[in-house]
Amino acid sequence: DIQMTQSPSSLSASVGDRVIITCRASQDISNYLAWYQQKLGKVPKLLIYEASTLQSGVPSRFSGSGSGTDFTLTISSLQPEDVATYFCQKYNNSPRTFGQGTTVEIK
Amino acid sequence: QVQLVESGGGVVQPGRSLRLSCAASGFTFSSSGMHWVRQPPGKGLEWVAFISFDGTNTQHVDSVMGRFTISRDNSKNTLYLQMNSLRTEDTAVYFCVRGPVRWPFDVWGQGTMVTVSS
Repeated sequence: DIQMTQSPSSLSASVGDRVIITCRASQDISNYLAWYQQKLGKVPKLLIYEASTLQSGVPSRFSGSGSGTDFTLTISSLQPEDVATYFCQKYNNSPRTFGQGTTVEIK
Repeated sequence: QVQLVESGGGVVQPGRSLRLSCAASGFTFSSSGMHWVRQPPGKGLEWVAFISFDGTNTQHVDSVMGRFTISRDNSKNTLYLQMNSLRTEDTAVYFCVRGPVRWPFDVWGQGTMVTVSS
């Protein structure tokens, strides 16, 4: 099975900072990569799919890039409401493995 | 509006069974692949099982193979997860999720808590 590895596992940044989270697949998954945001005690929310397509209603400060095995999620200017855990996921086939998550906090 | 509502969670002893249900509304349930995803307390997300739109194809993560069974009743717009031989490590919030083939999880239920404890 394909493994999904995120880094870092957690980070602390200041409001307005650029934040980058990476996700690596153990095999080529083309662009079948999604990013989810989960705030504390809430249900995960789809942010980005097809590696770089923003889900409707998601602020434009979020962006995604990559293809094949290496992907990134970028928050161009961190806002207090972005405090959450972010998960990547492959969805080309089952098992639809998630990364282990990256927790983003405000410094 | 598009909605998924899980039910059936609770506290159960190791070795016992539980059946989760998920009622779908606001979209054509019978045309959509569906999944169960779980999240142990304080931990990450784990995909559990998938069922095709017509129920003819199912897949389960290795850790639940032979113990859990995903199924659906399109006449009732309902997804199920039959969980047998439960273990303490199955303790988690279980989410019902819409996820057609080669499409991300765009609709999530609110989750139902399953606690396996003696």
